[in-house]
Amino acid sequence: QIQLVQSGGEVQKPGASVKVSCKASGYSFTTFGISWVRQAPGQGLEWMGWINAEHGNSNYAQNFQGRVTLTRDTSTDTVYMELRSLRSDDTAVYYCARDHHDILSGNFYYNMDVWGKGTTVTVSS
Amino acid sequence: IQLTQSPASLSASVGDRVTITCRASQTVSNYLNWYQQKPGKAPRLLIFAASSLKSGVPSRFNGSGSGTDFSLTISSLQPEDFATYYCQQSFTTPLYTFGQGTKLEIK
Repeated sequence: QIQLVQSGGEVQKPGASVKVSCKASGYSFTTFGISWVRQAPGQGLEWMGWINAEHGNSNYAQNFQGRVTLTRDTSTDTVYMELRSLRSDDTAVYYCARDHHDILSGNFYYNMDVWGKGTTVTVSS
Repeated sequence: IQLTQSPASLSASVGDRVTITCRASQTVSNYLNWYQQKPGKAPRLLIFAASSLKSGVPSRFNGSGSGTDFSLTISSLQPEDFATYYCQQSFTTPLYTFGQGTKLEIK
């Protein structure tokens, strides 16, 4: 079945970096992009960025520009999210999600149809 | 593009009909998705393209709207529907935004 399996939880100190992985299976990896979404404790969903799994190009939310990098490895069907200069308010659950598209009347409608279970990142001194 | 959901929270009973709204700061045409999230779980896609039901999602979920105003209606609440609901725009793909969420609680 189609799934995204994320790496385990992390505890990092302020100022450090974290790299979370998301391994895809059950579909052709390069067909769809991957988005990353985070959720701070008790808060809503915040979109962080997207990577094209085929070409490796990426786009980031303005809030994360310069601090996050998405990369992918097509040999292992894995996407990586690296967040640098961690602060306490980066403590959150980080999700990867498949950027699927449905075609209606010739238009492409993008949506996040498969999600990983989430990776908890805790930033604490 | 900013998405504003209302209400922020809502109390209802099993069997009730409820509507959640999502307003965009500028037009997103019909590039609007709805997700359901239960505590400790990843979000689940319910509706895409404003009104298309994702396969496997019960027909009591209905999405409507276009331009800047959208709604998600649950026709007859079931116990498993109590969750938080988010709208998300894909008009500016692949740059996305989510609404702040609407928590649906049992009355």
